[in-house]
Amino acid sequence: DTEVTQTPKHLVMGMTNKKSLKCEQHMGHRAMYWYKQKAKKPPELMFVYSYEKLSINESVPSRFSPECPNSSLLNLHLHALQPEDSALYLCASSHAGRDEKLFFGSGTQLSVL
Amino acid sequence: GQNIDQPTEMTATEGAIVQINCTYQTSGFNGLFWYQQHAGEAPTFLSYNVLDGLEEKGRFSSFLSRSKGYSYLLLKELQMKDSASYLCAGFGPTSGTYKYIFGTGTRLKVLA
Repeated sequence: DTEVTQTPKHLVMGMTNKKSLKCEQHMGHRAMYWYKQKAKKPPELMFVYSYEKLSINESVPSRFSPECPNSSLLNLHLHALQPEDSALYLCASSHAGRDEKLFFGSGTQLSVL
Repeated sequence: GQNIDQPTEMTATEGAIVQINCTYQTSGFNGLFWYQQHAGEAPTFLSYNVLDGLEEKGRFSSFLSRSKGYSYLLLKELQMKDSASYLCAGFGPTSGTYKYIFGTGTRLKVLA
């Protein structure tokens, strides 16, 4: 199994809603990532978990809250988002360590109304 | 911090060869990755160079010169399905930690 599975594929939410994005991998990877990608731009790193501990938070607003319940799962909890948060949210995983290739999920296309 | 620069857009004809360049600051990166991303889809891994020189994988080849902070992706016998964005990325130090840094991305359009 070389897949990273993300759900949902599409999400529309209002600014007062609370929703969660989910990501799962069964490749034994111990590093998991959340990226945000706007149209025609490269992915921007948001969070990195290494061995289930948050190792990097790229000064992301607190309305985005990551969670890594175990080595296979990664969640991103969303609350009180703004329209400018509309983007493609990508989960990725890799073996922990330097220069390991990333395996990306197919992403969640989020629209905030 | 590190910057990785790529041309924004390129256009080429089906069957042709195209070279997508990537330049970066020379400090810190061990090697360089190339990813392909079709519109609305996730990036997928294409190649990784850790040694200087050319790595060939079928129609795609990637070159690295660490001393010059330069890499390129060479696509031969272009097909319509190669129309996509191509991202180069390095894993290196920035703001006191090691992380992936993506280039600006090159959108390639292949014309019939």
